[in-house]
Amino acid sequence: TQLLEQSPQFLSIQEGENLTVYCNSSSVFSSLQWYRQEPGEGPVLLVTVVTGGEVKKLKRLTFQFGDARKDSSLHITAAQPGDTGLYLCAPQSIAGGTSYGKLTFGQGTILTVHP
Amino acid sequence: DVKVTQSSRYLVKRTGEKVFLECVQDMDHENMFWYRQDPGLGLRLIYFSYDVKMKEKGDIPEGYSVSREKKERFSLILESASTNQTSMYLCASSPNAPGSEAFFGQGTRLTVV
Repeated sequence: TQLLEQSPQFLSIQEGENLTVYCNSSSVFSSLQWYRQEPGEGPVLLVTVVTGGEVKKLKRLTFQFGDARKDSSLHITAAQPGDTGLYLCAPQSIAGGTSYGKLTFGQGTILTVHP
Repeated sequence: DVKVTQSSRYLVKRTGEKVFLECVQDMDHENMFWYRQDPGLGLRLIYFSYDVKMKEKGDIPEGYSVSREKKERFSLILESASTNQTSMYLCASSPNAPGSEAFFGQGTRLTVV
């Protein structure tokens, strides 16, 4: 079983601040996804990163996949109250076969952005 | 609009009861998943199915079983519910392709008393 660590577990900041959330593992992944979950809803996909060193931007959110494909980060610039939620990383294994589509998640980071 | 539907939003059951949680997807996805979500523990995979009648244990399968008789439907069964199975249960589906997006239902909040 891969060891997956997300940090920090909790983050409480003021509107306008910047923040970074990390997802680290000892395993190499074929790709990695970031999801956001709002209260009372299921998680929704934000982005998929595939190539080592890849950087993707989604408005104020910047996602990076580590060069070795073992880690990823999510950076939010000028956070807004609407960014509040649970952020989850979900790496996907290089292994094929039946585990091809198996999706496991980190513990998540609970972000609260205060107005 | 893609849809994953879980049969109940809230459920209260007694200890020892057999509990069925149903999930239906309308996207013809090969993969379906059951997770439980508890504070501070993220989403933990209970069972995963990659085809009809095919299943694979996740990280916490103890006390649960699953059934997938049709492609669109994936059921989670608690053979004898216990209080430590009180949790939020989330169903998801995805195509069986690299980097595919998983689509989630809204969850079932199960309370075992």
